[in-house]
Amino acid sequence: EAGVVQSPRYKIIEKKQPVAFWCNPISGHNTLYWYLQNLGQGPELLIRYENEEAVDDSQLPKDRFSAERLKGVDSTLKIQPAELGDSAVYLCASSITPAAAEQFFGPGTRLTVL
Amino acid sequence: KQEVTQIPAALSVPEGENLVLNCSFTDSAIYNLQWFRQDPGKGLTSLLLIQSSQREQTSGRLNASLDKSSGRSTLYIAASQPGDSATYLCAVHSGGSNYKLTFGKGTLLTVNP
Repeated sequence: EAGVVQSPRYKIIEKKQPVAFWCNPISGHNTLYWYLQNLGQGPELLIRYENEEAVDDSQLPKDRFSAERLKGVDSTLKIQPAELGDSAVYLCASSITPAAAEQFFGPGTRLTVL
Repeated sequence: KQEVTQIPAALSVPEGENLVLNCSFTDSAIYNLQWFRQDPGKGLTSLLLIQSSQREQTSGRLNASLDKSSGRSTLYIAASQPGDSATYLCAVHSGGSNYKLTFGKGTLLTVNP
């Protein structure tokens, strides 16, 4: 069974440029999560999707971050414009259901903003 | 607000030693607790999931316990190997309508040959 797929694995951009990350969850997993992990810290939730609906985006900085999951399968997270402080690892995870379900993580995208 | 603390922040042991990693959380109203492993530059690998009604879970050389009333969990690794070297993260799944994993900062484990 394929795991959570993310691309790209690494991205280096200049500040003020836009950037997008893509995630394809495990087949059959209705719940998709985007997390942000800063160096030396645990991941922090940015947004949670139930199928195509964003049911928890309270931690997403909406002035520059946006996300979509149009058909309830794969998802894209975008930053525009990127700032130096956005340098981090962006992790995608999925689970069958949100309630008490085991979450499975992708390899992450390491973003460096210069 | 749920807070998760992991002690120690780093641990270095000789190969073959048994070890314990600690995790504490402030709000005992949880659905479950999950232990992850993270290798440098990689994503998270789920090791064990303990439901709130369970006391422990075992997988191979790993054993995780949960004491919900005291807000504590431990991850026991038996007969450690150099391949166990990684960062171990504890995450608590909160209750209510906020289905959210709250992570600790992790314990960096180094097993020396």
